[in-house]
Amino acid sequence: GAVVSQHPSWVICKSGTSVKIECRSLDFQATTMFWYRQFPKQSLMLMATSNEGSKATYEQGVEKDKFLINHASLTLSTLTVTSAHPEDSSFYICSALQAGASSYNSPLHFGNGTRLTVT
Amino acid sequence: GQSLEQPSEVTAVEGAIVQINCTYQTSGFYGLSWYQQHDGGAPTFLSYNALDGLEETGRFSSFLSRSDSYGYLLLQELQMKDSASYFCAVDYNNDMRFGAGTRLTVKP
Repeated sequence: GAVVSQHPSWVICKSGTSVKIECRSLDFQATTMFWYRQFPKQSLMLMATSNEGSKATYEQGVEKDKFLINHASLTLSTLTVTSAHPEDSSFYICSALQAGASSYNSPLHFGNGTRLTVT
Repeated sequence: GQSLEQPSEVTAVEGAIVQINCTYQTSGFYGLSWYQQHDGGAPTFLSYNALDGLEETGRFSSFLSRSDSYGYLLLQELQMKDSASYFCAVDYNNDMRFGAGTRLTVKP
């Protein structure tokens, strides 16, 4: 149980275009989802916290107009990288927290990540 | 902000025991977690310490000492498949912050 599906697993796009990444909780409801960015051999850097039905909370330094997050249902959050540039190339990973749970009594369930390459 | 320090790389042989340390300069967190991540894959949960002391889960154990601002992950009977990156993370209640990770290489 507790499967998080992230799609696509990899995407190549041209500079200036937008890319949408989906994060779905398949067998549980997630009121909170998290979006991370990871550069090679580095840590997971939290970009934003997404709460179902409300605006996402962005970390300092993350442009909310560039990284659009929508969490319209209890099983789906999307991250759209708008006007992508080569420096946006990275590994993006989502995680989900089961509804009613807190991180101190329930582990985070991660998607398999999306490798974005902007040419 | 928080600061979590881990060794960047550790190498050990199959069957051995290895300890990955995590020191931190932060407070007010609920607990310390450990996650494993294979190259290109999703992080998977290993262990969580809400209280000081040792938590054992099969071959993996984790320890936390809040007074020493220190925790560790202990991996026993190492297997080749244990080669991966290991991250400690502090939990501020639905706000998880990760350390830089330790890359473990298990050799035959």
